Amino acid sequence: DQQVKQNSPSLSVQEGRISILNCDYTNSMFDYFLWYKKYPAEGPTFLISISSIKDKNEDGRFTVFLNKSAKHLSLHIVPSQPGDSAVYFCAAGGSNYKLTFGKGTLLTVNP
Amino acid sequence: NAGVTQTPKFRILKIGQSMTLQCAQDMNHNYMYWYRQDPGMGLKLIYYSVGAGITDKGEVPNGYNVSRSTTEDFPLRLELAAPSQTSVYFCASTAGVHTEAFFGQGTRLTVV
Repeated sequence: DQQVKQNSPSLSVQEGRISILNCDYTNSMFDYFLWYKKYPAEGPTFLISISSIKDKNEDGRFTVFLNKSAKHLSLHIVPSQPGDSAVYFCAAGGSNYKLTFGKGTLLTVNP
Repeated sequence: NAGVTQTPKFRILKIGQSMTLQCAQDMNHNYMYWYRQDPGMGLKLIYYSVGAGITDKGEVPNGYNVSRSTTEDFPLRLELAAPSQTSVYFCASTAGVHTEAFFGQGTRLTVV
């Protein structure tokens, strides 16, 4: 049973436009959420995170929104750049030291 | 600062062989993890450790063993390799429960 779901396997956007990546979770014990970016043949790298006590966190071009009642979070990238093309993983954690990952969304930003 | 280092980067094993995937971190992190990523899938947790001498199973521990004798090292042992263990393996470490995890570059393992 998938506790963290990324229902869009891929997303394609034009350079300069907004990219919105979505993530849903089912476990109400999750209280910390992270986004990771992964290029081919590399390990995932941390992008941005949000605690369950917040509903928004912003870092430069990246903003994560959390809707706890809907158990939904999203990552907004504005403006999108070709170098943002990668697989994006949503991850969730609680007090049990473990991170649960979604299957990832492949973002392609076209010049 | 090397971060998380995994060796080897690539390996081909025959069915029934054994091997150890090495993972070392130099950030003095207490928490370390092993994940595997199959094509089109997310990362599945194999084993994790919250400190030297303490390990616990994740989602998919069967066929694997780990040890954590030091804070720095967290090797993953595959006994009797099977084709189902063909995957990319990632080691990660983190300073705390609600902090970012740092990942190694991965080990691509093929069992034939």
